Amino acid sequence: GDSVTQMEGPVTLSEEAFLTINCTYTATGYPSLFWYVQYPGEGLQLLLKATKADDKGSNKGFEATYRKETTSFHLEKGSVQVSDSAVYFCALSGTGGFKTIFGAGTRLFVKA
Amino acid sequence: DAGVIQSPRHEVTEMGQEVTLRCKPISGHNSLFWYRQTMMRGLELLIYFNNNVPIDDSGMPEDRFSAKMPNASFSTLKIQPSEPRDSAVYFCASSPREGRNEKLFFGSGTQLSVL
Repeated sequence: GDSVTQMEGPVTLSEEAFLTINCTYTATGYPSLFWYVQYPGEGLQLLLKATKADDKGSNKGFEATYRKETTSFHLEKGSVQVSDSAVYFCALSGTGGFKTIFGAGTRLFVKA
Repeated sequence: DAGVIQSPRHEVTEMGQEVTLRCKPISGHNSLFWYRQTMMRGLELLIYFNNNVPIDDSGMPEDRFSAKMPNASFSTLKIQPSEPRDSAVYFCASSPREGRNEKLFFGSGTQLSVL
């Protein structure tokens, strides 16, 4: 079945460091890809998305490019802030009836 | 917009008791999803509805779990009888329509503890 694999956390960085969180997927067809973020005690919220190959999603300094050839959607940010500390989920949708399937999540800690 | 509203925020119950979780989706949204989040299994889709009709319940763990959506503005997830392994955070999410590009709007979740 369809699945999403993310790098294991936690990831600990100093403020202003470069961030990469790896995400790869397995899916039949051509899914849409998403990154969601979850802050403590809250539900997930959409960070960015890409709906077709070579699309780049971006928001709040975060970026991810839909790479069909490597089935990847890695999340990047050039300079992280303490306020970026959260859990990040990679997800896909659009195969098997439009349900959204999530990866295990990667916890990010940013130190001042 | 009030967002997706879930109640209660926290529920503590004893093994064997019935538990009912409630969700009010965003007005006008046609799709509704129930997810369960645990450390061991991550975020699992339990069931989703489109236009109040259950479309995929393959994630419902067993017959002890049931979900209903009697109208467009209300859904329940019931566990009867509850067991300690049901302890988790249960999220409800809605989206404007069924589609591969649609983002999900999540509620704040219900933290369930079964003792």
